[in-house]
Amino acid sequence: GAVVSQHPSWVICKSGTSVKIECRSLDFQATTMFWYRQFPKQSLMLMATSNEGSKATYEQGVEKDKFLINHASLTLSTLTVTSAHPEDSSFYICSARTGQVSYFGPGTRLTVL
Amino acid sequence: DAKTTQPPSMDCAEGRAANLPCNHSTISGNEYVYWYRQIHSQGPQYIIHGLKNNETNEMASLIITEDRKSSTLILPHATLRDTAVYYCIVRVDTDKLIFGTGTRLQVFP
Repeated sequence: GAVVSQHPSWVICKSGTSVKIECRSLDFQATTMFWYRQFPKQSLMLMATSNEGSKATYEQGVEKDKFLINHASLTLSTLTVTSAHPEDSSFYICSARTGQVSYFGPGTRLTVL
Repeated sequence: DAKTTQPPSMDCAEGRAANLPCNHSTISGNEYVYWYRQIHSQGPQYIIHGLKNNETNEMASLIITEDRKSSTLILPHATLRDTAVYYCIVRVDTDKLIFGTGTRLQVFP
């Protein structure tokens, strides 16, 4: 199957700092990418849909000013967690769609101290 | 909200077939059935998808009932590495994936 990468795989930061997570489709182009968040022992929760060249669409209850999404090319989408706080600590996962199938990255574990 | 219902957990002996059921009684005519699995602390892995015909690939088989209100994912010869949470999702092929709670499959020796 198609490969999606994320960087970094894990990050620890201090409260109040911003963290950027990259999502890349390695062997295909993706006009649409998705960002999810997963808390321990819970299912994946969709945060936003990222469209190349246009503004992201956020799910209800997700703060767009806190979770900045940029999809500047057909192979790269970034999620920036601004002014991170301990409650933002989570597992962030992206996916990219090619044809009828969405493929997922390995995830980024964010810990905010 | 997820449109599917799955048992929260199942067990399967190694080497035996694992049959994971999914109910999707409100599925629309243009919605596909997708199956993903998530091994602990990893991103979900695509397994298989289908519209109304049964499908098979190197990982699994997908059996969809004639009325499309339910389906079964079959892992023909389960191994310990198949221990994971399995998610059944219905969606229009270009739409977003909304995850439910899935089925936690435990394969035991």
